[in-house]
Amino acid sequence: DSGVTQTPKHLITATGQRVTLRCSPRSGDLSVYWYQQSLDQGLQFLIQYYNGEERAKGNILERFSAQQFPDLHSELNLSSLELGDSALYFCASSVGLAGEGETQYFGPGTRLLVL
Amino acid sequence: GENVEQHPSTLSVQEGDSAVIKCTYSDSASNYFPWYKQELGKGPQLIIDIRSNVGEKKDQRIAVTLNKTAKHFSLHITETQPEDSAVYFCAASSKEGFQKLVFGTGTRLLVSP
Repeated sequence: DSGVTQTPKHLITATGQRVTLRCSPRSGDLSVYWYQQSLDQGLQFLIQYYNGEERAKGNILERFSAQQFPDLHSELNLSSLELGDSALYFCASSVGLAGEGETQYFGPGTRLLVL
Repeated sequence: GENVEQHPSTLSVQEGDSAVIKCTYSDSASNYFPWYKQELGKGPQLIIDIRSNVGEKKDQRIAVTLNKTAKHFSLHITETQPEDSAVYFCAASSKEGFQKLVFGTGTRLLVSP
C-alpha cells in the first residue's frame, strides 16, 4: 500500500458526460500528479499540483481540468467525455521538493469506461 | 523534451533465469531514473531508483545500472520467480517544469515455472 488513495475504483458513464476523480496523497506529500494509462499504452503525464498551485502540464486535453484543495487532496474533472477517454487514471504524490528528482508514489487508479 | 525508449516490449524467461530491460533517454540533464512494477489491476509500484551521481545500485535480486555518457540505464532481475511476472516501466526525470517523470512504454515480463 503506497498510502495514496483514489476514488472511485471503477466508473462507467456515457459519452458527453462529466466525471470527477478524487485523490488523497500520502501524509506529508505536497505534490500531486495525474497520469492517464490507455490500453497497451504507457503512463502519460497530465498535470501536477504543488501545495494547491498548478506546477506543470503535460498532454492534458482542454476538456480536462484539475485542482488541489487546501487539505491537499486533488480532483481531476473530465468533461464532454468521448469513447477514447476510457482508460486508467492514476494519481501519484511526492514530498514536493524541487531539483533532485523525487520518488512518486502511485495510487491504485480509477478505471474509467465511457460507453 | 525528454523522450524515453524501452526495450524489449515483452520478455519471457524461465524461473531462475535473469531478465534485463533496457531504457534510453534523450535529455542529458535528467538526473533521476526510477523503475516501477505494475501488476494486473494495480498501480505502479516503485521497485528501485538511481540518481545520476551513481553508476549502479542493487537491492537483493534487483539491480539498476546507469551510463550517463551513453544515456541509457538498465534493470537486472536475477533468479527470477513467477511472482516477478508483471509490466515494468522505466522513467527519467525531466527538467521541464517543476518536476516531471517521462515513462517508457513498458516491458511485459513473463516468468514461467
